[in-house]
Amino acid sequence: EAGVVQSPRYKIIEKKQPVAFWCNPISGHNTLYWYLQNLGQGPELLIRYENEEAVDDSQLPKDRFSAERLKGVDSTLKIQPAELGDSAVYLCASSLGGRAGETQYFGPGTRLLVL
Amino acid sequence: SQQGEEDPQALSIQEGENATMNCSYKTSINNLQWYRQNSGRGLVHLILIRSNEREKHSGRLRVTLDTSKKSSSLLITASRAADTASYFCATESGYSTLTFGKGTMLLVSP
Repeated sequence: EAGVVQSPRYKIIEKKQPVAFWCNPISGHNTLYWYLQNLGQGPELLIRYENEEAVDDSQLPKDRFSAERLKGVDSTLKIQPAELGDSAVYLCASSLGGRAGETQYFGPGTRLLVL
Repeated sequence: SQQGEEDPQALSIQEGENATMNCSYKTSINNLQWYRQNSGRGLVHLILIRSNEREKHSGRLRVTLDTSKKSSSLLITASRAADTASYFCATESGYSTLTFGKGTMLLVSP
């Protein structure tokens, strides 16, 4: 069974440019998460989807970040415009139903460098 | 914001030795989970311990939880070079929301 797929794996852009990350969760997983991981830190939740509904986006900087999961399957996270401080790894994870104690399965991440 | 705080930040041991990592947290939790992250890769779930459990084992892993001290420990016995990775504790307080610590970097030398 395929795991969580993310693309691209690496992205280098100049500041003020837009960037988008794509995630395809494990088949059948209704819950999808986007995390931000800065160097030397643990992941921090940006947004959580239950099917196509964003049920927790309280940590998403909405002035420049947006996300969508239109059909409740794959998802896109966008930054526009990117800032130097956005350089980090963006991780996507999925779980079966988003219940407490459920295992989250992580993708390999997209490593973003903003110059 | 980070909830958990791992200690030590880095740990270097020889193959065959045991590795112990600690995690402290601040608020009440439903459960605490440990994840492993190899260099440049995603996180892998290792083990979950619920708030009403005190100890749990999985293979060479042993996790303890002390809710009165708001702390947990992860013991890896008979370490192998392949155990080299960063280890994160993550607490779950609300509805499937995980809050991760900063992690412990473990280096196991052959």
